Amino acid sequence: GIQVEQSPPDLILQEGANSTLRCNFSDSVNNLQWFHQNPWGQLINLFYIPSGTKQNGRLSATTVATERYSLLYISSSQTTDSGVYFCAVEGRGAGSYQLTFGKGTKLSVIP
Amino acid sequence: SAVISQKPSRDICQRGTSLTIQCQVDSQVTMMFWYRQQPGQSLTLIATANQGSEATYESGFVIDKFPISRPNLTFSTLTVSNMSPEDSSIYLCSVDRVNYNEQFFGPGTRLTVL
Repeated sequence: GIQVEQSPPDLILQEGANSTLRCNFSDSVNNLQWFHQNPWGQLINLFYIPSGTKQNGRLSATTVATERYSLLYISSSQTTDSGVYFCAVEGRGAGSYQLTFGKGTKLSVIP
Repeated sequence: SAVISQKPSRDICQRGTSLTIQCQVDSQVTMMFWYRQQPGQSLTLIATANQGSEATYESGFVIDKFPISRPNLTFSTLTVSNMSPEDSSIYLCSVDRVNYNEQFFGPGTRLTVL
């Protein structure tokens, strides 16, 4: 099946700093989503972005489907940004809408 | 987006017992899924809950251990049977609606098995 690799695995930032999280995938995709898992375990949808660029406030994402990677940018980080960020993909041709998750990037934003 | 609720939100159970987790969606959806997240790990798909037919299980998961029901388009249950401490995880349901192709997750059920 499709492989998803995220980097870095851990990231510690000072409040106000910017960061870039990366997601590499091994095959063509129908769907790519970024999630933020908060400390209570809730998965929050950030972006649905199988290709192109999107922005939502301090967050933006870019997926270059031909090169099989996606980037999540966090600007002016805040302590509430802490948590685990997951990239998940649905492989093209799967026909079943199943998502394969990366191992996540654990972000800690310190005051 | 769909509004998804799960019950219970958390539970502590004794080994050898079973727990049934409910997932309710506020609108009809095409696909419903169950995932497991073991402590400190990523999410792993357990099965796809099919309306009116048997669930489709992923490799490593079997119906006897994780029976699933989906009696209609807005509701599904997952049972964790004959539990052991290794079943301690967060269990999450997710949904995917026709023409949206974006999955949304319920708040999860945090299970601890003693």
